[in-house]
Amino acid sequence: ELKVEQNPLFLSMQEGKNYTIYCNYSTTSDRLYWYRQDPGKSLESLFVLLSNGAVKQEGRLMASLDTKARLSTLHITAAVHDLSATYFCAVANTGNQFYFGTGTSLTVIP
Amino acid sequence: DSGVTQTPKHLITATGQRVTLRCSPRSGDLSVYWYQQSLDQGLQFLIQYYNGEERAKGNILERFSAQQFPDLHSELNLSSLELGDSALYFCASSAQEYFANIQYFGAGTRLSVL
Repeated sequence: ELKVEQNPLFLSMQEGKNYTIYCNYSTTSDRLYWYRQDPGKSLESLFVLLSNGAVKQEGRLMASLDTKARLSTLHITAAVHDLSATYFCAVANTGNQFYFGTGTSLTVIP
Repeated sequence: DSGVTQTPKHLITATGQRVTLRCSPRSGDLSVYWYQQSLDQGLQFLIQYYNGEERAKGNILERFSAQQFPDLHSELNLSSLELGDSALYFCASSAQEYFANIQYFGAGTRLSVL
């Protein structure tokens, strides 16, 4: 079974600072996904990364994928309070089975 | 509003019972995915359908089954319910068959098994 590890599990950061969330996975995959979940709410798709070296940016969030290292990063630039949420990465294997990380709970402090 | 509709929002039932969760995808989306989220097991992918056919299967128990109907809505059937089945169940939809594009999630059904 494909294992997906995220770190950190909890992240408290000040507004205006930069930080990175890491997502490591255990077997070969070229499909990596990032989601956001607000407390008590559903999931929102953020990024779909489909090849080695893929980089996508939306606002203050930038995601990248290194399939050789089996690593994806979600970089937060100049954090604002509205980014407080739980962020999940997920990886799909060749059988289209889908595995989620444990999530990173982000709190941005004014 | 994602355009994905799930009903009911909340469901309370007893162990041993059977329930059906319903999902209507966004207009035009052919793929439907089901996920379970619980404190114990986190987020888990259950199953995917594309245009009425099963396409991928994850950690779905044998007591659970799903189908996608000709009008593209989907139902997830959970039977012989156990306490551990209490969870949030999400469905999502996307336009294409494989996990190549953005998925849009419904608000979820919260199932409580007492």
